[in-house]
Amino acid sequence: QVQLVQSGAEVKKPGSSVKVSCKASGGNFNNYAINWVRQAPGQGPEWMGGIIPTFGTPNYAQTFLGRVTITADQSTNTVYVQVLSLTFEDTAIYYCAKSGTGVNYMDVWGKGTTVTVSS
Amino acid sequence: QSVLTQPPSVSGAPGQRATISCSGNSSNIGAGYDVHWYQFVPGTSPKLLIYDSSDRPSGVPDRFSGSTSGTSASLTITGLHTEDEADYYCQSFDSSLRSSVFGGGTKLTVL
Repeated sequence: QVQLVQSGAEVKKPGSSVKVSCKASGGNFNNYAINWVRQAPGQGPEWMGGIIPTFGTPNYAQTFLGRVTITADQSTNTVYVQVLSLTFEDTAIYYCAKSGTGVNYMDVWGKGTTVTVSS
Repeated sequence: QSVLTQPPSVSGAPGQRATISCSGNSSNIGAGYDVHWYQFVPGTSPKLLIYDSSDRPSGVPDRFSGSTSGTSASLTITGLHTEDEADYYCQSFDSSLRSSVFGGGTKLTVL
């Protein structure tokens, strides 16, 4: 059974960037997609984008185009999301979640990484 | 503001039934895209409860069921347990946005 382990909480200044990692263990890293979903306080989850590590080409929600980069390192079974030009509105829990290729439901989730943007 | 609309809260007594609705439009649920449901409990990993509108992953009790009709979907929980208290979210795909979309969430209280 695949497990997803995320990096620790971050506190960032407005205008800076943050990079969160998600390491997969168990299962074949090449047979599924890793998505990034964030949830701001008091709001519903928001899909940011995803990547199939084998193919390496990410796709992004329109909202995040140009400000978010998703990458994968197959040698370490780790996927990253980087968010640039942080604003207070980027304060959220960032989750990585696995989905099968060709489906968009997410059956395994990480525990989340809290990113706080504060001056 | 979320693309899919859910009631902010739902409540029920232990042993009773609770139904959570999820309303979309012709670009998502109404276009035939499947609906999935998740349970969020603070401090834990979110859990997939229902996928492809009505299927349950292994290990999810059959007290949880899902259905869709037109531009809406529903999650029904029968025989409520106190541990069912959580936030529930629906998810689908939106062809106009070309991305997955979620509901705003429903807080279930088991009285």
